[in-house]
Amino acid sequence: QVHLVQSGAEVKKPGASVKVSCKASGNTFTDYYAHWVRQAPGQGLEWMGWMNANSGATKYAQKFQGRVTMTRDTSISTAYMELNSLRSDDTAVYYCARDPSTSGAYLDYWGLGTLVTVSS
Amino acid sequence: QAALTQPASVSGSPGQSITISCTGTSSDVGGYNYVSWYQQHPGKAPKLMIYDVSNRPSGISNRFSGSKSGNTASLTISGLQAEDEADYYCSSYTSSSTVVFGGGTKLTVL
Repeated sequence: QVHLVQSGAEVKKPGASVKVSCKASGNTFTDYYAHWVRQAPGQGLEWMGWMNANSGATKYAQKFQGRVTMTRDTSISTAYMELNSLRSDDTAVYYCARDPSTSGAYLDYWGLGTLVTVSS
Repeated sequence: QAALTQPASVSGSPGQSITISCTGTSSDVGGYNYVSWYQQHPGKAPKLMIYDVSNRPSGISNRFSGSKSGNTASLTISGLQAEDEADYYCSSYTSSSTVVFGGGTKLTVL
């Protein structure tokens, strides 16, 4: 059974950075892509980017270019998403999700989410 | 990349069928057979219901089906049940190798 275990809730001040982790178990981590999706309170899903867990190649949504970095540590099957220059409207639940596709993209397993609150 | 367009809400009675539409462009929905659908209950993580337009993951009821025509994809739920009440999101792969979600549709089972 596949599990994606995310790090705990964070409270940050405007201008700070946050790094969220996502540890995979029950599958071969480097066989998949890892996506990050966020959801602001009461809002819809917003795609942030993907990372090839094998090569480390990334693709980010234009909105987050220059502000987000996705990395991984294959030795511990963990993906990371770091978001810089936080603003109040970055307050959201951040999800990691696994993409098993070889073309296209779909997300078959999701973490439970990490609440990031940005407040002065 | 603009979000895909979904109706804000749909409703139906138990046992009925409903369809949720998802409209994009030729650069996403219309250009690829890579549309997926997710169900999200309040306070929970999204759950994959349909991938690659019409494929159901293992364990998903055959009451859920997907289709596509041109730039519009659709999710149909037949034999509505109370537990189907949730938010539904479509997503598509795009020509920029990115992913775009729809704004979400709230399904109410009357």
